[in-house]
Formats: sequence, structure tokens, C-alpha cells
Amino acid sequence: GAVVSQHPSRVICKSGTSVKIECRSLDFQATTMFWYRQFPKQSLMLMATSNEGSKATYEQGVEKDKFLINHASLTLSTLTVTSAHPEDSSFYICSATDRGRRFTDTQYFGPGTRLTVL
Amino acid sequence: SQQGEEDPQALSIQEGENATMNCSYKTSINNLQWYRQNSGRGLVHLILIRSNEREKHSGRLRVTLDTSKKSSSLLITASRAADTASYFCATNFGNEKLTFGTGTRLTIIP
Repeated sequence: GAVVSQHPSRVICKSGTSVKIECRSLDFQATTMFWYRQFPKQSLMLMATSNEGSKATYEQGVEKDKFLINHASLTLSTLTVTSAHPEDSSFYICSATDRGRRFTDTQYFGPGTRLTVL
Repeated sequence: SQQGEEDPQALSIQEGENATMNCSYKTSINNLQWYRQNSGRGLVHLILIRSNEREKHSGRLRVTLDTSKKSSSLLITASRAADTASYFCATNFGNEKLTFGTGTRLTIIP
């Protein structure tokens, strides 16, 4: 149980284009979904927290107009990287907490999306 | 930054040996969690230890927490080649957010 999927797993795009990444909780309803960014051989940095039906909360230093987050349902959140540039190339990982569990402090992670901007 | 630090950054051991990695953090926590990440993949939750707990076991994993020293350790006993991965500690401060440590890259040599 508690499976999270991400789509696509890899994407290569040209500079200036926008890329959408989907994060889905497959067998549970997600209280909250989180988006992280990870550079090679580094740790995960939280970008934003999203709750269904409300605006995402962005971490300090993350441009909300560049990284658009839409949490349309209890099982789907999307991250859109707008006007992508090479410095946006990274590994993007989402996670979710399960509203059906007693404690919601365990996050279930998706497999990640490797974004390469040329 | 509230990010925790892990030690060592990299660890190579022979299969069958025990692996120990440590995590230190800076402020009071609600709980501390350990995750494993295989290369280029997502994270797998291993174990959660709450601030009022001192030790927890799960299979070959043993986690300790010393809140007075603001540190935790993860012990993997009888290591296997499949344990090769990066291991991250993550601290929770009472909301749902996690702050990840710098990670330990563990290599098990067959």
C-alpha cells in the first residue's frame, strides 16, 4: 500500500518551454503532497507543500511563478516548470501523506522525474 | 539552515558486516525518520522514531535517538549487496514537513 507514482520519469525539453510533472497517490488519499528537488549526489530540498483545493505554500527562495503547483484532487498534484532553463535541470520528487492513517508524518515518495533542459 | 548532517558521507564495507551511520540535527524535533534511496530513484521509508523513544528495531535495522545530543544512528546488521544505496535521515518539527540530512552513500562489497 501507499504507492505514489510520477509521470513522466524522464523528460528532455528545450530552453524556454514548460514542462508538467504529475504526482499521483494510487491507493490512498493524500492529505498533503510535497515537491522536492535534488541535485546530483545531494540531499532533497523541499520546494513546496500543497493541499487539495488550496494554494501551495512555497519554501523561501522558490519562485512560485516559475514552479506552478496545482493540487486538483486528493490523489493528484502537478508541478509545472515554466520557461525552463538549463539551471532547472534536476531530479524532482514528490511525496504524499496518507489521510487515512492515524499519524500523517510519514511521507510516501514517488520514483522521481529527471528533467533535462537543453 | 535546519538541515541535519550525516556522517560519514560515504561508507564501504564487506557484505555481512554491520553498517552504522549517524545523523545530527540542530533543533528540537517531533520525530526523526530514515529513508533509503537507490541511485536515481525515489525514497523508501525505513523507520520512524519519535522524540520520546530511544531505540527502535525493524528487521535488520536498529535506530537510536539521543535528544540530549540531538543525534540519531542507523545500524544495518549483516549487510547485503542490496543494501547499497544512499541513506537519509529526516527530521520533523511538529508539522508535516521533513528536513533531510546530507545523506550517507553506502556501498556493500560482495
